[in-house]
Amino acid sequence: NAGVMQNPRHLVRRRGQEARLRCSPMKGHSHVYWYRQLPEEGLKFMVYLQKENIIDESGMPKERFSAEFPKEGPSILRIQQVVRGDSAAYFCASSPPSQRSNYGYTFGSGTRLTVV
Amino acid sequence: DAKTTQPPSMDCAEGRAANLPCNHSTISGNEYVYWYRQIHSQGPQYIIHGLKNNETNEMASLIITEDRKSSTLILPHATLRDTAVYYCIVRAQTGANNLFFGTGTRLTVIP
Repeated sequence: NAGVMQNPRHLVRRRGQEARLRCSPMKGHSHVYWYRQLPEEGLKFMVYLQKENIIDESGMPKERFSAEFPKEGPSILRIQQVVRGDSAAYFCASSPPSQRSNYGYTFGSGTRLTVV
Repeated sequence: DAKTTQPPSMDCAEGRAANLPCNHSTISGNEYVYWYRQIHSQGPQYIIHGLKNNETNEMASLIITEDRKSSTLILPHATLRDTAVYYCIVRAQTGANNLFFGTGTRLTVIP
């Protein structure tokens, strides 16, 4: 039973390019959460998605950032026109449909985005 | 979700018990206490959670005070691999589902 898979592990983009981060949840999990961690800081919630629906995007920057979780395939976090301040580790977590999960969330290993 | 307060850092000798405190004085009746840890450069790892009663699993024990305003995570025999940032989070199991990560406690296990 593979865990939460994120790819790529490391991504380098030049300023102004687009970054696409992928997250495949654990088997049987239909809820996905994205978090961002700036260097030497804690994790900040960005967005919570269920299949084909954005449930809570209160932590997403208003511009350049978007997320989707299609019926088929992984969840995608997309950052357009990246700037140096977007350099961070982006973590994805998943949980099963039941809101009474006994094990909280399962996190992936993250994607480390570096904007040069 | 209620906020939590944790000491920024702690040291523990290898082989000894590590006791990590957390204050959550504004916790609501339906909120659970969750503990996660993040080893350097890795994703957070679930450790344990509880509502009112003390809990134990293969990783740790969780002691929650009777008034639920504070708790302690206990690693009974700390190893060097337990060096990490430990996050105490309170969260209801229904309703809003995101976890709020504070600044956590950086535990350093010393040989």
